[in-house]
Amino acid sequence: NAGVTQTPKFRILKIGQSMTLQCTQDMNHNYMYWYRQDPGMGLKLIYYSVGAGITDKGEVPNGYNVSRSTTEDFPLRLELAAPSQTSVYFCASTSRGTDLTGELFFGEGSRLTVL
Amino acid sequence: DAKTTQPPSMDCAEGRAANLPCNHSTISGNEYVYWYRQIHSQGPQYIIHGLKNNETNEMASLIITEDRKSSTLILPHATLRDTAVYYCIVRVYQAGTALIFGKGTTLSVSS
Repeated sequence: NAGVTQTPKFRILKIGQSMTLQCTQDMNHNYMYWYRQDPGMGLKLIYYSVGAGITDKGEVPNGYNVSRSTTEDFPLRLELAAPSQTSVYFCASTSRGTDLTGELFFGEGSRLTVL
Repeated sequence: DAKTTQPPSMDCAEGRAANLPCNHSTISGNEYVYWYRQIHSQGPQYIIHGLKNNETNEMASLIITEDRKSSTLILPHATLRDTAVYYCIVRVYQAGTALIFGKGTTLSVSS
């Protein structure tokens, strides 16, 4: 099992550009999450999904969009990138069983810089 | 979800026990306490969770006070590899409820 895979690992964007951060998991997990982490800060929840076709906003959804067409994939779309979106983005997943125990499985992160 | 309060930083000597406190005075009866840690810039790693009884696993022990308003994560024999940011999170025990991370405690273990 590869676990949770995020691509790209690093990306530099210009202001106003758009891009998609990819997240895929091979553990058949129902629940998937996107977090962002600014330097020296804790993680902030952007969006989450409890299953294919179902998504919901987290703490900081503005400027982002998500979709969940399959169980495996949960891409995060940035429209009109702004410097405030410079951050490290983490995707995480869990199954119903491990969700109740609170055990999230995280990807390695995608480091995005907007200039 | 109830909020948590943790000291921003702590130091510990290698080989000694590291005791990380967390205050969650507004915790509800159906909320669990979870601990995660984040080493350098990696994704957070689950450590342990509990409701009201003390819990222990291969990584750590969790001590929750009787009134459940505070808890302590104990790393019995800290090593340099335990240097990390430790997050205490309170969450309703319900599938699909997202974990909300605070700023955590930066634990520095030195030799």
